[in-house]
Amino acid sequence: QVTLKESGPALVKPTQTLTLTCTFSGFSLRTRGMRMSWIRQPPGKALEWLARIDWDDHKFYTTSLKTRLTISKDTSKNQVVLTMTNMDPVDTATYYCARAVTTMGDYFDYWGQGTQVTVSS
Amino acid sequence: EVVLTQSPATLSLSPGERATLSCRASQSVSSYLAWYQQKPGQAPRLLIYDASNRATGIPARFSGSGSGTDFTLTISSLEPEDFAVYYCQQRNDWYSFGQGTKLEIK
Repeated sequence: QVTLKESGPALVKPTQTLTLTCTFSGFSLRTRGMRMSWIRQPPGKALEWLARIDWDDHKFYTTSLKTRLTISKDTSKNQVVLTMTNMDPVDTATYYCARAVTTMGDYFDYWGQGTQVTVSS
Repeated sequence: EVVLTQSPATLSLSPGERATLSCRASQSVSSYLAWYQQKPGQAPRLLIYDASNRATGIPARFSGSGSGTDFTLTISSLEPEDFAVYYCQQRNDWYSFGQGTKLEIK
């Protein structure tokens, strides 16, 4: 059974750094073809892909936020971590982690429940 | 960047009716398009991938079609649990999502 769960602070101040952790089970990020992404959704708005890390540790970021994002993994703990620097109120959103598998089309087949992050002083 | 435009923004139908949702890409994405369903307070759920393949456990009333720049999600006969927001997503050029279509009860 595949499960994913995000954790992190619910409230951050402007200019602070956000650190989110995705803890998953039911699969291994050591398995060839596995990919983990972070996706966010501002209140009442559409989804936005942020970053991806692959089983071979390749990392990719959305162009508009590339300078602020870092994604990493700890395969021994089954965790993926996203850091976002210099947070701004426009970064207020629900942040999701999601799995994709290249051999299954590379679409987001499992998602966490999401963690809501508010940026406010 | 591939921009996905969904229409209509809101679709008002009754249970039992047929729903047709559209997604248009700003450039060809081949068949690399998925559809997701999202209910309030929940994560999106994968319905359709590669334009026309149903994901595991998705009922047969959901079907997808299209290629290139024009795609359609069809729900043949609406069930009460189908009223939600639907997003399309492409993976041909990184990843992007449409702005969503809200399917509401008439």
